[in-house]
Amino acid sequence: DTGVSQNPRHKITKRGQNVTFRCDPISEHNRLYWYRQTLGQGPEFLTYFQNEAQLEKSRLLSDRFSAERPKGSFSTLEIQRTEQGDSAMYLCASSRQNLNYGYTFGSGTRLTVV
Amino acid sequence: AQTVTQSQPEMSVQEAETVTLSCTYDTSESDYYLFWYKQPPSRQMILVIRQEAYKQQNATENRFSVNFQKAAKSFSLKISDSQLGDAAMYFCAYRNLLTGNQFYFGTGTSLTVIP
Repeated sequence: DTGVSQNPRHKITKRGQNVTFRCDPISEHNRLYWYRQTLGQGPEFLTYFQNEAQLEKSRLLSDRFSAERPKGSFSTLEIQRTEQGDSAMYLCASSRQNLNYGYTFGSGTRLTVV
Repeated sequence: AQTVTQSQPEMSVQEAETVTLSCTYDTSESDYYLFWYKQPPSRQMILVIRQEAYKQQNATENRFSVNFQKAAKSFSLKISDSQLGDAAMYFCAYRNLLTGNQFYFGTGTSLTVIP
């Protein structure tokens, strides 16, 4: 058990480019979450997977954002046509079925759009 | 909408002293869970302590304890015998069964520990 792994740790991209982030959850966790954290704010929910099914999406997840978890293991979050307002820390977390014990977070991917 | 408020953007404490971080939340539900997460600089968020709303007894984890006041919708974190490694952002979070799988986080409190 190596925890939740996120890659890359940092990404700098030009406005208008597409970016993709990867998250590898704890292997026995069937639930996976994406959150966004901007400077001075707490994490905000983006989306949730149970196994390979995407079961919840936030209104924050515009149509430029897409997330997948094809085999119920790792997940990717893609942002198309990036905008400066997309600059943030993107956090991935995973959990067991019983969510009441909280999430295990990854270290995040910091995106800077220039 | 669920809201979690942390009214102290920054706090400081002398090493070995005690500090209390405040958190209030807004809900009409009776069944929910509350959490404190710690986020050290450039490192991942880790769970510090959790509290079930149906439990009257305040949760304790070593030097960390909470003061849960359900009627006041208050959930403060007390750190005793503060250590340099306690320096971090601390986030309060809320979840109830009706909000599905998302947690609602406050804006965080930055804790500095002074040697």
